Amino acid sequence: EVQLVESGGGLVQPGGSLRVSCAVSGFTFSNYWMTWVRQAPGKGLEWVANIKQDGSERSYVDSVRGRFTISRDNARNSLDLQMNSLRAEDTAVYYCARASGQINMVRGITQFVLNRFDYWGQGTLVTVSS
Amino acid sequence: DIQLTQSPSFLSASVGDGVTITCRASQGIRSSLAWYQQKPGKAPKVLIYAASTLQSGVPSRFSGSGSGTEFTLTISGLQPEDFATYYCQQFNSYPLTFGGGTRVEIK
Repeated sequence: EVQLVESGGGLVQPGGSLRVSCAVSGFTFSNYWMTWVRQAPGKGLEWVANIKQDGSERSYVDSVRGRFTISRDNARNSLDLQMNSLRAEDTAVYYCARASGQINMVRGITQFVLNRFDYWGQGTLVTVSS
Repeated sequence: DIQLTQSPSFLSASVGDGVTITCRASQGIRSSLAWYQQKPGKAPKVLIYAASTLQSGVPSRFSGSGSGTEFTLTISGLQPEDFATYYCQQFNSYPLTFGGGTRVEIK
């Protein structure tokens, strides 16, 4: 059974730091891109960051670039999100998810493209407030 | 950034009704679109990916169509467990973006 379990959420003051983690089981973690998605209270979903299977590629939404760092430990089947310089607008439930995709032929070149987040954790709440 | 606009933002329907939700992209995204269902207090669940491919285990009453800038999610015969919020998401380019959501409630 695939399981993703987030931990590390809590209350932090503006300007502070927090690290949330995601423990994964039930699939070969090192074979998949992983992602963080957040949801502010009563609001919609916002993609935060992605990381490639070996950690060699990472992408971030502009609002967190330079403040957040996504990382993974394939030996421990663990995904992390280090959040620094936190702001009130970072208050949200943070979900980790597995990213899946398919291989396409684009202009004669095979290319792997992500096309869905197919397994999600239950989320961990991060509250930034004084 | 690619903006995704969902319509309607809210709809009220009865069990057994057919419903259609639209997602419009601010620029062409080929077929790089997924649909998710989210119930209160729960994580989202993927229903459709690549615009029209049904995720394994998802009932066949859910279907997706479209390409380019206009996409639809159709539920044929609403069931009580389908009352939820639905989001579209594009995978064409970074930053990955979600639509604002469509809340489906019981009439």
